[in-house]
Amino acid sequence: NAGVTQTPKFQVLKTGQSMTLQCAQDMNHEYMSWYRQDPGMGLRLIHYSVGAGITDQGEVPNGYNVSRSTTEDFPLRLLSAAPSQTSVYFCASSSSRAFYGYTFGSGTRLTVV
Amino acid sequence: KQEVTQIPAALSVPEGENLVLNCSFTDSAIYNLQWFRQDPGKGLTSLLLIQSSQREQTSGRLNASLDKSSGRSTLYIAASQPGDSATYLCAVADSGGYQKVTFGTGTKLQVIP
Repeated sequence: NAGVTQTPKFQVLKTGQSMTLQCAQDMNHEYMSWYRQDPGMGLRLIHYSVGAGITDQGEVPNGYNVSRSTTEDFPLRLLSAAPSQTSVYFCASSSSRAFYGYTFGSGTRLTVV
Repeated sequence: KQEVTQIPAALSVPEGENLVLNCSFTDSAIYNLQWFRQDPGKGLTSLLLIQSSQREQTSGRLNASLDKSSGRSTLYIAASQPGDSATYLCAVADSGGYQKVTFGTGTKLQVIP
């Protein structure tokens, strides 16, 4: 089915470890973004991309890196995991100017111990 | 900075009741507004999308309205069912160059059989 695919669904990391959360979409969407969802704080934008080769910071970018080498993929890298990065991470995509709204992946639940 | 508020944070109603969920936003220069449903441990499912030029959208038992001048949107659910139990989120896209999306913290709905 067309949509946004996130892997893995669950991950446990030790403090200081690095990892990459994968996000892929097959709808040829220009816009892709990463959010984290924490209890009582809603969804907060980490990084976003308006096309291949173009990325920018969102509201809470510290500790995360992104790149966008293709239209389809937008991986999120945790450089040195910290317990404060324990959260649920969602990837979303939309067509240009978000006219048809956003499509979300099913999320990655990350625990940093 | 856009701020999105959803009140109440939680709502419990008996099955069959009609109900209204509220979403308010501080900056009326929006591009569109999207209502999502989130089931526990799951991703976000889009319910309705209202463009800034529209007043309302309907899908089945759901009706969403938008009043930009007052900074409010409502999601009306008719004849509620236990399967409607979920958290409902509204997301406002700004009318700037990249339609930055701001989420409310959601209303957790429980429909009691």
